[in-house]
Amino acid sequence: EVQLVESGGGLVQPGGSLRLSCAASGFTFTSYWMHWVRQSPGKGLVWVSRVNDDGSSTNYADSVKGRFTISRDNAKNTLYLQMNSLRAEDTAVYYCTRVGSGRANDYWGQGTLVTVSS
Amino acid sequence: QSALTQPASVSGSPGQSITISCTGTSSDVGGYNYVSWYQQYPGKAPKLMISEVSNRPSGVPDRFSGSKSGNTASLTISGLQAEDEADYYCSSYISSSTLERVFGTGTKVTVL
Repeated sequence: EVQLVESGGGLVQPGGSLRLSCAASGFTFTSYWMHWVRQSPGKGLVWVSRVNDDGSSTNYADSVKGRFTISRDNAKNTLYLQMNSLRAEDTAVYYCTRVGSGRANDYWGQGTLVTVSS
Repeated sequence: QSALTQPASVSGSPGQSITISCTGTSSDVGGYNYVSWYQQYPGKAPKLMISEVSNRPSGVPDRFSGSKSGNTASLTISGLQAEDEADYYCSSYISSSTLERVFGTGTKVTVL
């Protein structure tokens, strides 16, 4: 059974940092690209970032470029999102998702809530 | 790049059919057959319902179907059931130097 379990969310002050983790199991992690997608309270889904299967290529939404860093440790089957210089508008539930066939996000974690507030 | 445009809400009675539209541009929906649809219950993670415009993953009921014409994709729910009441989001791959995925604005489906 495919499982994606996020952790690392919480309350942080503006300008602060957090690192999210996503532990993957039930599939060959090294064969899949991964995304982070976020959802602000009461709002829609927004793509945040992508990493390819071996971690050599990444991409980011303009809103987080230069502040967030996506990475993966294939030996630990874990995806990360390092978030720096956090702003109030980064407040959201962050989902880890697997990119399956047809570039669809075929599996999602349960999400972890990040709240940026003083 | 703006979000794909979906109606805010669609409703129907049990047994009826409803269709949710998803309008983009030639750089996303119209340019690729990488349109997917997601169902989300309140407080839960999204679930993939349709990939590559019209492919249904294993376990998704066949009353869910997808199609595309030009820059607009559609999700049809036939034989609407109470459990279909949820939020639905479309998504597309996008050709851009930065953005790789764009989501729709979301549609609340209400079963009357």
